[in-house]
Amino acid sequence: ETGVTQSPTHLIKTRGQQVTLRCSSQSGHNTVSWYQQALGQGPQFIFQYYREEENGRGNFPPRFSGLQFPNYSSELNVNALELDDSALYLCASSLAGREGAGELFFGEGSRLTVL
Amino acid sequence: AQRVTQPEKLLSVFKGAPVELKCNYSYSGSPELFWYVQYSRQRLQLLLRHISRESIKGFTADLNKGETSFHLKKPFAQEEDSAMYYCAPLGGSARQLTFGSGTQLTVLP
Repeated sequence: ETGVTQSPTHLIKTRGQQVTLRCSSQSGHNTVSWYQQALGQGPQFIFQYYREEENGRGNFPPRFSGLQFPNYSSELNVNALELDDSALYLCASSLAGREGAGELFFGEGSRLTVL
Repeated sequence: AQRVTQPEKLLSVFKGAPVELKCNYSYSGSPELFWYVQYSRQRLQLLLRHISRESIKGFTADLNKGETSFHLKKPFAQEEDSAMYYCAPLGGSARQLTFGSGTQLTVLP
């Protein structure tokens, strides 16, 4: 069984640039959630994808967007980067439905630094 | 607004002592509640969920709807319990987890 993998692990961008982060789900999982974790804070929900569609979104602006592919892997895109976007971005996969809800399997994260 | 509060950022106890990590929530309806844990150099993982009523690694958590609390307890802490602990209610349009700010538990020898 393959766990959740994320790439890249670290990256540095400058203000105004765009970034794409990638995530491969755990085998058999059809739902992907993305979280932003700033230093010293808990993970904050960005959005969730199920069947290639966004089915829930946290309090993040539209410049945060995502995709889910038929193999359930996912991308997080952030446009017009701001300094406050510097954070650890976590991807988590799960099974849809009552039993799977809340049981998230996390990746190790992508550490984004915006200069 | 949905909110979860973990009032202690840092908590230290001695090995063998009881430990309680506090969590209070403000949520509409009756959310399901979870505790997640992150050990040093490991990824965030599920510790327990209140509906299963299981004891995981000696930890239990009781949901108190009157006090809207879901405190995590262990009668005898071990050094390997040192980690960051997050309380997380489940709710919202996507039935997503909302994480608290976390409590760093250190168990001293």
